[in-house]
Amino acid sequence: GDSVTQMEGPVTLSEEAFLTINCTYTATGYPSLFWYVQYPGEGLQLLLKATKADDKGSNKGFEATYRKETTSFHLEKGSVQVSDSAVYFCARAEGGADGLTFGKGTHLIIQP
Amino acid sequence: DTEVTQTPKHLVMGMTNKKSLKCEQHMGHRAMYWYKQKAKKPPELMFVYSYEKLSINESVPSRFSPECPNSSLLNLHLHALQPEDSALYLCASSQGTGPITGELFFGEGSRLTVL
Repeated sequence: GDSVTQMEGPVTLSEEAFLTINCTYTATGYPSLFWYVQYPGEGLQLLLKATKADDKGSNKGFEATYRKETTSFHLEKGSVQVSDSAVYFCARAEGGADGLTFGKGTHLIIQP
Repeated sequence: DTEVTQTPKHLVMGMTNKKSLKCEQHMGHRAMYWYKQKAKKPPELMFVYSYEKLSINESVPSRFSPECPNSSLLNLHLHALQPEDSALYLCASSQGTGPITGELFFGEGSRLTVL
C-alpha cells in the first residue's frame, strides 16, 4: 500500500472557511514529514515541516502536528483565502537515496 | 525566489530531436534529483545523484540520460522522446539523504512538450 496517504480532492471551500487536509503515513523508522504546495504553473515549495514526534510545523497560517501515535500529519488553516488555491502534497523522508515519498496530492479550490 | 535554477522554462521538441534540460544549485547540497510530473499528480522520481553516485528508477526509459558535470550542476539529456513524455520536469536538491537532511528544494520546472 501507499506509504503516504492523503485525502484526494478537489476540495472546494469558501473564503474564510476552516481547512483540514488529512495525511497519514507508514514508516519503519523515524521519518521527517513535510507539506509542499504547488501553485498553478510553478514548482513545489516547502510549506512546513516537522522532524520528530509532537513537533508542530507552521507557516503562512498553516499548521500541522507530527502525531506518532496516529501516524498522521494533518494540515490545518483557520481561515483560508482565494490565494491558497493550489495543490498540496504531504511527504515523508525516511532517509536513503529515494528522496521523499509523496502523497497523491490534494487540489484545493477556494471560492470568493 | 528559488535557489534551484532550471533552464529552459519551456521546451517544445520533435520526436527525432536531441535536447537537454539544465539545473543548477549553489547551496552546497550533496544530492540532486530529477522528477517527472504529470498534471495534478505527485512528482515521480527519475534519477538521484548523491555523493557522486547515480541512482536510477528502473522504470525510466533510456531515452532519458542524466549527467552531473559537477556537484552543483545536473543535466537531463533527451533523445527520441515520445508524446507521452510531455510533462513538467522538476529538479531538486537536498543537503543530504537522511530524514532531516533530505528536505527537497525544488526549481520552478521545465515544461516539456513533445510533438
